[in-house]
Amino acid sequence: AQKVTQAQTEISVVEKEDVTLDCVYETRDTTYYLFWYKQPPSGELVFLIRRNSFDEQNEISGRYSWNFQKSTSSFNFTITASQVVDSAVYFCALSEGWDSGGYQKVTFGIGTKLQVIP
Amino acid sequence: DGGITQSPKYLFRKEGQNVTLSCEQNLNHDAMYWYRQDPGQGLRLIYYSQIVNDFQKGDIAEGYSVSREKKESFPLTVTSAQKNPTAFYLCASSIRDRGNEQYFGPGTRLTVT
Repeated sequence: AQKVTQAQTEISVVEKEDVTLDCVYETRDTTYYLFWYKQPPSGELVFLIRRNSFDEQNEISGRYSWNFQKSTSSFNFTITASQVVDSAVYFCALSEGWDSGGYQKVTFGIGTKLQVIP
Repeated sequence: DGGITQSPKYLFRKEGQNVTLSCEQNLNHDAMYWYRQDPGQGLRLIYYSQIVNDFQKGDIAEGYSVSREKKESFPLTVTSAQKNPTAFYLCASSIRDRGNEQYFGPGTRLTVT
């Protein structure tokens, strides 16, 4: 089973529409972190948000918002009033566990490609 | 400006040749990582290093080698033993106290023919 599932491979929306990108994760740890990254066509992954497992407050940053629900193991990402510049691949990631060196393994989902059509 | 640099952006090699990808960071991060990205497969961890002169294999280390002689630098060598080296390679770094929140370089697209 995948630890991070992004079931939507590709999504197309018309500019100004709202869009939600789904992320479902799986872990046995009680302490873990969740992330969202944006990968525009240039290729570099851009960090968007970090959320730890003890903080279920939703987060809003401008047109972006995140809904973290431990009960359903989901960490969904909503873009309000989408713009063409939002077109990118979005990755959800899970950080869990510690090895002897203090390393927390990060597992990335396969990404959701969002296309915003003008 | 602090950040991660990778060079070159595009790299072409003939099959059978070793090639080294550069990764430099000036964020003063202890940990550095190499990922490989293929279409439809997300990011897969090749190697990581928590401190200078120490590194660990990731999920797909076969055919790759790394070194960590300086905190700022973590070069990746793609050897001729790597069966399918054509891919997009991403370097990242992180600090420990943020759940391994990683920052990425611009990537190197390697094409081997």
